[in-house]
Amino acid sequence: GAGVSQSPSNKVTEKGKDVELRCDPISGHTALYWYRQSLGQGLEFLIYFQGNSAPDKSGLPSDRFSAERTGGSVSTLTIQRTQQEDSAVYLCASGTDRTFGAFFGQGTRLTVV
Amino acid sequence: KQEVTQIPAALSVPEGENLVLNCSFTDSAIYNLQWFRQDPGKGLTSLLLIQSSQREQTSGRLNASLDKSSGRSTLYIAASQPGDSATYLCAVRPGNTPLVFGKGTRLSVIA
Repeated sequence: GAGVSQSPSNKVTEKGKDVELRCDPISGHTALYWYRQSLGQGLEFLIYFQGNSAPDKSGLPSDRFSAERTGGSVSTLTIQRTQQEDSAVYLCASGTDRTFGAFFGQGTRLTVV
Repeated sequence: KQEVTQIPAALSVPEGENLVLNCSFTDSAIYNLQWFRQDPGKGLTSLLLIQSSQREQTSGRLNASLDKSSGRSTLYIAASQPGDSATYLCAVRPGNTPLVFGKGTRLSVIA
């Protein structure tokens, strides 16, 4: 595709429910990142996939958060037992090697009520 | 730990002014630095990417400079327009590691 695609664009869920957020990176990009942006805050790193290497999960805020990347392409971020503080915009980006820039999707706005 | 700071946090200028946004980072060991634009409720749009070996990059009315040794970058916007109103984010790439972002500068260009 032409760019990074995220779905859904908006998600409203009840507290305690599980949600899955999807990211389709740019074709051929080996790196994939998930970030979170809370209202009025900067971007918070969550997880980073690079090729076949083990993902860098150091940014995941709790064990309720997990992500996988199937076939080196599409990634799914899963949040279990959602809490109100999980409400934020979740942004996905993809890139190639370290000399290349990162390209972001439009984000998924998650609201936990 | 790499930290990125952007000054000012917010800026309001009249249309037509030239302006400078500042970004500083604490660890000069970076591979590149990237400037992004974010419109309200939207994702990030990449504006300029400067590799660590480069001093500046230009795109249209935008010019970004990089002084790696002093840990600074500036984004210069010439002849600002109301359409330039957005939040501008600076991010550095420490290596095969995630981008580290500043908190951004919120720019308002008044017609």
